[in-house]
Amino acid sequence: EVQLVQSGAEVKKPGESLEISCKGSRSTFSTYWIGWVRQVPGKGLDWMGIIYPGDSDTKYSPSFQGHVTISADKSINTAYLQWKSLKTSDTAIYYCARRIFRHAFDIWGQGTLVTVSS
Amino acid sequence: EIVLTQSPATLSLSPGERATLSCRASQSVSTYLAWYQQKPGQAPRLLIYDASHRAPGIPARFSGSGSGTDFSLIISSLEPEDFAMYFCQQGSDWPPNTFGQGTRLEIK
Repeated sequence: EVQLVQSGAEVKKPGESLEISCKGSRSTFSTYWIGWVRQVPGKGLDWMGIIYPGDSDTKYSPSFQGHVTISADKSINTAYLQWKSLKTSDTAIYYCARRIFRHAFDIWGQGTLVTVSS
Repeated sequence: EIVLTQSPATLSLSPGERATLSCRASQSVSTYLAWYQQKPGQAPRLLIYDASHRAPGIPARFSGSGSGTDFSLIISSLEPEDFAMYFCQQGSDWPPNTFGQGTRLEIK
């Protein structure tokens, strides 16, 4: 079964750094783009950015450019979402997902809840 | 950036009824439009891609239509498990591949 497995929930303080991960299969990471989506609890879905692990080509939404970094290590079939300095407004659930035809996301990770509070 | 507007915000129907959800794009997205279902505490699930193609394992009661700027997701006869949030997403102009704000389908 194709799946994406994300790292566990995190509780951080404002200004701290954080990296969360998303692990999949070799076939997924050698063939597909992997995207990241934010969801503030009770709210909608925000497309953050996407990476092609094969060559690390990365695209960001202007809304997130400069605040997060998306990376991947294809040798271990893992994508990452990183913050250097968290804000309370970063509190949300973050999903990774596999992109397919016409840019839809067909496989989603289980989500990682990030809570940023002083 | 393309804006997707979903309507209605909330749709109240009974099991067995037909549901029609709308998604309108601020500019043409051709057929680069996907629909997702999300239940509380779960990740979104892809229902429809390329405007009208059902994802694997999705029941036939779910159908999608439209092209350009106007799209619909139709659930022909609602089952109890269909009451959830529904989001559309465009794949035409990126980054970003924006999502609509969602429609809540609730039991009447």
